[in-house]
Amino acid sequence: GAVVSQHPSWVICKSGTSVKIECRSLDFQATTMFWYRQFPKQSLMLMATSNEGSKATYEQGVEKDKFLINHASLTLSTLTVTSAHPEDSSFYICSARDWTDQETQYFGPGTRLLVL
Amino acid sequence: AQTVTQSQPEMSVQEAETVTLSCTYDTSESDYYLFWYKQPPSRQMILVIRQEAYKQQNATENRFSVNFQKAAKSFSLKISDSQLGDAAMYFCAYGGATNKLIFGTGTLLAVQP
Repeated sequence: GAVVSQHPSWVICKSGTSVKIECRSLDFQATTMFWYRQFPKQSLMLMATSNEGSKATYEQGVEKDKFLINHASLTLSTLTVTSAHPEDSSFYICSARDWTDQETQYFGPGTRLLVL
Repeated sequence: AQTVTQSQPEMSVQEAETVTLSCTYDTSESDYYLFWYKQPPSRQMILVIRQEAYKQQNATENRFSVNFQKAAKSFSLKISDSQLGDAAMYFCAYGGATNKLIFGTGTLLAVQP
């Protein structure tokens, strides 16, 4: 149980284009999902908290117009990197919290983004 | 604000031996949860074990156990009978009233055959 998927796992795009990453909870309903960014050999940096049916809450320093988050259903949240630039290249990870277990986050496998 | 500290950037253990990873945290909250997550080379974050602060009994999951010292704000992870597959980055994390996880900087564990 508690499986979270992410798609795509790998994406390469040209500078200036937008990229959408999907995060799905496969066997549970997730009222809250989280988006993280991880640089090589570093810890996870929380970007935003996504609640189903409401606007995402962004961490300080994260541009909400650049990183658009939508949580339209209890099993799907999307992160769109708009007008991507090389400095946006990173590893993006989502996590989801089962509404029956409000304390534990289960993580997706991550998405590697490379912007050329 | 809460903080999580992992003071061992790297650790090494022989296969079949036992290793302990350290984690300390700082908080003024009384109710919270503590977690250990494992991140192997695939970079998939895997929940290893969790501890509720209100429980005095240390959590165990097969070969993994914790030593939770609430007064000292310490939460170490013990891995018994280490296996090659245990090689990974281990993150200690705190979950409190904000519902966000606060991660430590991680400990890279190498397992020697």
